[in-house]
Amino acid sequence: AQKITQTQPGMFVQEKEAVTLDCTYDTSDPSYGLFWYKQPSSGEMIFLIYQGSYDQQNATEGRYSLNFQKARKSANLVISASQLGDSAMYFCAMRDNDMRFGAGTRLTVKP
Amino acid sequence: EAGVTQSPTHLIKTRGQQATLRCSPISGHTSVYWYQQALGLGLQFLLWYDEGEERNRGNFPPRFSGRQFPNYSSELNVNALELEDSALYLCASSFRDRGQETQYFGPGTRLLVL
Repeated sequence: AQKITQTQPGMFVQEKEAVTLDCTYDTSDPSYGLFWYKQPSSGEMIFLIYQGSYDQQNATEGRYSLNFQKARKSANLVISASQLGDSAMYFCAMRDNDMRFGAGTRLTVKP
Repeated sequence: EAGVTQSPTHLIKTRGQQATLRCSPISGHTSVYWYQQALGLGLQFLLWYDEGEERNRGNFPPRFSGRQFPNYSSELNVNALELEDSALYLCASSFRDRGQETQYFGPGTRLLVL
């Protein structure tokens, strides 16, 4: 069964606008962590943001914020004020007793 | 501070050979994860080492194995290479502190099996 689902294969956003990338997950473990990564065309994986299952507040890191809705098992990434350099693949991941990645969303920022 | 390093950057092998990939975590990180990313696909979890012990492994055959050394560096071994093993192999090191976890990836090793 899929543990991490990213339903948007591709997304477009206008430069300077905000965009939300969806991620839902499935686990029965009460302790887990949620991650978002960016993978540019160069192939490197860049850590963006982390949310622990017991965290009461949504995680934020600069222009990135994680909209954590525990009851709905969703962990959407919000990028504010999109920049051209944000164009990349974005992966959502969850760690419970292992580490699983979603299929990714390709974000294209249009000038 | 040095990031996660992996060696070699590229590796070309033939079917049936064995490959050894190496990973050095960020100083202070005790966990190492290995992933396989086949062309155009997402990441598949391979192995997780923490404090020298294998904590879990993904759905891969036993010819994928590894170990973590006392200095927390890690090695991934792939025996009896098959063509479909051609992929980018990524290593990530992890550190947990007061409920916060960070995982940082190395640049990867591109393995090509001919």
